[in-house]
Amino acid sequence: AQSVTQPDIHITVSEGASLELRCNYSYGATPYLFWYVQSPGQGLQLLLKYFSGDTLVQGIKGFEAEFKRSQSSFNLRKPSVHWSDAAEYFCAVGADSSYKLIFGSGTRLLVRP
Amino acid sequence: DGGITQSPKYLFRKEGQNVTLSCEQNLNHDAMYWYRQDPGQGLRLIYYSQIVNDFQKGDIAEGYSVSREKKESFPLTVTSAQKNPTAFYLCASSGKTGMVGELFFGEGSRLTVL
Repeated sequence: AQSVTQPDIHITVSEGASLELRCNYSYGATPYLFWYVQSPGQGLQLLLKYFSGDTLVQGIKGFEAEFKRSQSSFNLRKPSVHWSDAAEYFCAVGADSSYKLIFGSGTRLLVRP
Repeated sequence: DGGITQSPKYLFRKEGQNVTLSCEQNLNHDAMYWYRQDPGQGLRLIYYSQIVNDFQKGDIAEGYSVSREKKESFPLTVTSAQKNPTAFYLCASSGKTGMVGELFFGEGSRLTVL
């Protein structure tokens, strides 16, 4: 069965520091991978997605993620965090035969001034 | 602007009452979804619909019902059979057919049972 693990429940970084949020998945075939961001009390917004091709994908707001098949990972990175990046981040994996996405439990990012 | 509109944003319900959450989209998407979000548990799929007049149960459908009479609308009813209905509910849609696609989300409805 597919699954997605985000091992960090909370992460705190200082403004201007680099960021890496971890995501590990379990899936038999080539997965469809997504990162979403959620501000408090709001819906989710897509940051970036990986379907195939180049394993380093660029997204909105200066985020990028790298698909590493050997490690079953799709970690999200940003070189310099802004206070407005404080939010909850969700990794998701998709099956190839349905619309359904499996979401991780999320990582809440706190940004220190 | 195209998007997904959920209403109401906040809803309070007494135990034993049914409530209906509205979800409307003007993105011309075929697929629509309802998710439930609880702290620390991510998103769990309640129901989804790939086409008008058809829908399927997700992982936690018990105590919920849906309808899909129009392409634009996918209302969710939280019935009195749902034992723990207090949660944040998110509606989403996707335009892809036959494969996984990006989900577009509404801003959510927070239901509190008093």
